[in-house]
Amino acid sequence: DTEVTQTPKHLVMGMTNKKSLKCEQHMGHRAMYWYKQKAKKPPELMFVYSYEKLSINESVPSRFSPECPNSSLLNLHLHALQPEDSALYLCASSPRAGEETQYFGPGTRLLVL
Amino acid sequence: AQKVTQAQTEISVVEKEDVTLDCVYETRDTTYYLFWYKQPPSGELVFLIRRNSFDEQNEISGRYSWNFQKSTSSFNFTITASQVVDSAVYFCALSTTSGTYKYIFGTGTRLKVLA
Repeated sequence: DTEVTQTPKHLVMGMTNKKSLKCEQHMGHRAMYWYKQKAKKPPELMFVYSYEKLSINESVPSRFSPECPNSSLLNLHLHALQPEDSALYLCASSPRAGEETQYFGPGTRLLVL
Repeated sequence: AQKVTQAQTEISVVEKEDVTLDCVYETRDTTYYLFWYKQPPSGELVFLIRRNSFDEQNEISGRYSWNFQKSTSSFNFTITASQVVDSAVYFCALSTTSGTYKYIFGTGTRLKVLA
């Protein structure tokens, strides 16, 4: 089973709202990733967690706050977003951070008004 | 520098035609990994294949085949007898030791298969 789940599938939020995106995997993977994808562009890496510790932050604005409560769960907390943050947010996991294959979830389509 | 080039932005074919998607990569690392992913309109990136730099064997999986050539730094993907369900954006990606194994994606090729 190579399933990564993400909730919600769609999210509309105002610029003053606080919301969270959730990602879950039960494959025993110890690396989890957040990507942002704008229309007609490839995914852009935001964060990498390895063994529940943040290992890579690609200079993402602080209005995005990741959290990894345990090895199966990854959250992305959103606060005071801008309309340009509207995008598809993809979560992925791999057995370990490194040369392993990443498996992606279906994504959350976020619209910031 | 690490780079992946997918020169074909969009390809349209008629069902049952064969189609090849090109991927050219750049890296100075001797150990690296190449991937193909499919992204249908639903949004999920579906893993198709991974190839490491030491394995130049071509791969066939049903209607899909991949041709890895280190001499030309290419990792091309062919769909035989295309079907409407193959319509999607296809991404080629590279990960390397010096790049801390972060994925470097190409810009993607949008494939439209017409009935």
